[in-house]
Amino acid sequence: AQSVAQPEDQVNVAEGNPLTVKCTYSVSGNPYLFWYVQYPNRGLQFLLKYITGDNLVKGSYGFEAEFNKSQTSFHLKKPSALVSDSALYFCAVRVARDNYGQNFVFGPGTRLSVLP
Amino acid sequence: NAGVTQTPKFRILKIGQSMTLQCTQDMNHNYMYWYRQDPGMGLKLIYYSVGAGITDKGEVPNGYNVSRSTTEDFPLRLELAAPSQTSVYFCASSYTGQARETQYFGPGTRLLVL
Repeated sequence: AQSVAQPEDQVNVAEGNPLTVKCTYSVSGNPYLFWYVQYPNRGLQFLLKYITGDNLVKGSYGFEAEFNKSQTSFHLKKPSALVSDSALYFCAVRVARDNYGQNFVFGPGTRLSVLP
Repeated sequence: NAGVTQTPKFRILKIGQSMTLQCTQDMNHNYMYWYRQDPGMGLKLIYYSVGAGITDKGEVPNGYNVSRSTTEDFPLRLELAAPSQTSVYFCASSYTGQARETQYFGPGTRLLVL
């Protein structure tokens, strides 16, 4: 079965410092990996995804993520955090062979707090 | 484009009441989805639709029903509300159902069943 783990419930970082939000996954097959962000009282907003090709994926708002197949990880990163980045971040995975929505698996979420 | 819109934003139901959560998208997407988000958990798929007139169960369909009479609308029906259905409900859509496709989410409906 597919699963996604986000080992940290909460990540605190000072404004201007680099941030990392961790994600590991377990699938049987080639994964498609996604990051979404959820601001308070808002829906999920798409940040970036890995489909194939370059392991470093760049997305919205200066975020990037690195796909590491050997470590089955897809950590979200940003070189310099902003207070406005404070939100709930979700990692999600789908298996490349699956063509139906029911196989979109989300992690439990990581709350990022950027302190001024 | 408004994207994916949901109504209401918040609702309190008594046990046994029924209600319909509305979802509309204006992106001409074929696929639409309903998820629920419980505290400390990721999203779980309730139902999905691959086009008008076609729906199918997701991971947690019990207690819910859906219909898809048009491409734009995908309402979720709760017939006999139970406290276990207290959650935040998100509707999403995508152009295709391919695994590589990004899903676009609405702002959510917060439901409290007392």
